[in-house]
Parts: sequence; C-alpha cells; structure tokens
Amino acid sequence: AQTVTQSQPEMSVQEAETVTLSCTYDTSESDYYLFWYKQPPSRQMILVIRQEAYKQQNATENRFSVNFQKAAKSFSLKISDSQLGDAAMYFCAYRSASWGSSNTGKLIFGQGTTLQVKP
Amino acid sequence: DGGITQSPKYLFRKEGQNVTLSCEQNLNHDAMYWYRQDPGQGLRLIYYSQIVNDFQKGDIAEGYSVSREKKESFPLTVTSAQKNPTAFYLCATTLTRRSNQPQHFGDGTRLSIL
Repeated sequence: AQTVTQSQPEMSVQEAETVTLSCTYDTSESDYYLFWYKQPPSRQMILVIRQEAYKQQNATENRFSVNFQKAAKSFSLKISDSQLGDAAMYFCAYRSASWGSSNTGKLIFGQGTTLQVKP
Repeated sequence: DGGITQSPKYLFRKEGQNVTLSCEQNLNHDAMYWYRQDPGQGLRLIYYSQIVNDFQKGDIAEGYSVSREKKESFPLTVTSAQKNPTAFYLCATTLTRRSNQPQHFGDGTRLSIL
C-alpha cells in the first residue's frame, strides 16, 4: 500500500522569503501523480500544483515549484516570495496513474504542514 | 458556474440518530469520493463511486453508507454505528477518462455531536 509522509507539522516563513515544505512517499508503482493541495482557514481544498511521475521536469506554477526526486521518493514544495495569503495547511497527496478495481483515482494524503507567514 | 455543492455547512447529530450529508456536482465528473478529516490529520477515504449505481468502500467505511442513483449526486449517511462522527467531511470529484486530472473538492460539512 502506498503511504505519504509529511514530517513537518508546522513551518513559518517571513513575508517575501522562500520556504520549502517536505513530502516523502512510498510506492512500488512506476506511474503515478503527486499533488500539493492548500487548505486555508476556510477549509477549502485548493490544488496548488501537480507532477506526473513520468516527467523529469519539475512542475512550476507562478511562485510555487516542486523538487521531484523519483528515486528518493521525495516531492517537496517551494514557495517563493511568500505572501500573507499563503498561510494555510498544505497537503501532499499521491494517486496511482492506473484505473481499475484497486486503483480508482483515490488520493492518499500526508498529515499536512501548517504554514505561518509572518509580516 | 460548475462546481461541487455540499450541504449543510454545519450539522449536529444526536445520539442514535442517522444524518445525511449532501454532495451535488455539475461538473459532469464520473467519479465521486467522500473523505473525512480529523484535526491534525490528513484526509481519509470513506467511500467512492466511479459510475452510477456502483460504489466501493474506502479505508474507513464502517458506520457510513452511500448511494449513487444519479451521476450528479453522492449523499453520505452517517449512521448511529459510527461512534465518533465528529469531523470535517469533504466530497470530491474527478474525471475518470483523463486520469491525470486532479480531484475537485466541495467546501465541506462540519459534523458535531450534540
């Protein structure tokens, strides 16, 4: 079974600085997807960025980028030029790329990292 | 606008009572999911459905039931057998035809015991 681990329960960053959130996962599959979701105090789950395992190039979305190390099974999120609105809980999630009776698109989540942004 | 609507936003359950959480979507997505979120924890899968009239248990299905009579709707019933129902419940959907698509989430329902 796949597992996702976020070892940093809380992180803080100064506004305009850069912060990196860590995520490791365990899987025997070769094809899968990885996601970072943001959950602000409103409790909405907002997709931040996604990475296909078959792609070597790290995904980027504006100020958000990932460092995907497939061999090390590591998927960290870097937030550049941090803003007050980035304060939230961040979840790393894994999904198998195959569809079938055992792989149905379900997401496997880490425990989350609460990010505080200091003005 | 396309989206996922969960209702109610807050729900209270009395001892021995069954309650139903609603999830409606107009995204034309095939797959729908129910997750439970407890404080300090990630989301855990309760039930999922890939097509109408079919659904499967997730990792923590005990004490819950679902139905999928329409593509747009996937209600979750929290039964009296669920002894610790206080949590935040999230409904999600995704297209199955394109597996690289992310899941989209509703705004959630917070369930508490009276």
